[in-house]
Amino acid sequence: GAVVSQHPSWVICKSGTSVKIECRSLDFQATTMFWYRQFPKQSLMLMATSNEGSKATYEQGVEKDKFLINHASLTLSTLTVTSAHPEDSSFYICSARLVSGELFFGEGSRLTVL
Amino acid sequence: DAKTTQPPSMDCAEGRAANLPCNHSTISGNEYVYWYRQIHSQGPQYIIHGLKNNETNEMASLIITEDRKSSTLILPHATLRDTAVYYCIVRVAGGNQGGKLIFGQGTELSVKP
Repeated sequence: GAVVSQHPSWVICKSGTSVKIECRSLDFQATTMFWYRQFPKQSLMLMATSNEGSKATYEQGVEKDKFLINHASLTLSTLTVTSAHPEDSSFYICSARLVSGELFFGEGSRLTVL
Repeated sequence: DAKTTQPPSMDCAEGRAANLPCNHSTISGNEYVYWYRQIHSQGPQYIIHGLKNNETNEMASLIITEDRKSSTLILPHATLRDTAVYYCIVRVAGGNQGGKLIFGQGTELSVKP
């Protein structure tokens, strides 16, 4: 299947700082990517839909000013957690959609905010 | 909200078939049934999907009832590496109109030696 890569795999940061997570489609172009977060023992929660060249669409309850999404190219979307706090500690996962409509997921990025 | 219901957990003996049920009684005519699994601390992995016919690939088989209100994922010979959370999701598929995946709670499958 198609390969989606996330970087970094894990990151630790201090409270109040910003953290950027990258999601790349390695062998295909993705006009649409999706960002999820997952807390321990819970399911994946969709945060936003990232569209290349346009603004992201956020799910209800997700703060767009806190979770900045940029999809500047057909192979890269970034999620920036601004002014991170301990409650933002979570597993962040992206997925990318092929032209055929199929979705493939990255390996996830674990954020720990101290 | 997720449009599917699954049992929270199941056990299966290694080498035996694992049959994971899913109810999706409100599925629409243009929605497919997708199955993904998530091994601990990894991203979800695609398994299989179908519309109304039964499907089989190298990983699993998908049996969809005639009324499409439920389905069963079958892992024919479960191994310890199949221990994971399995998610059944209904989604509009196809091209750039393919819909987003909304995850429910899934079924935690434990394969035991």
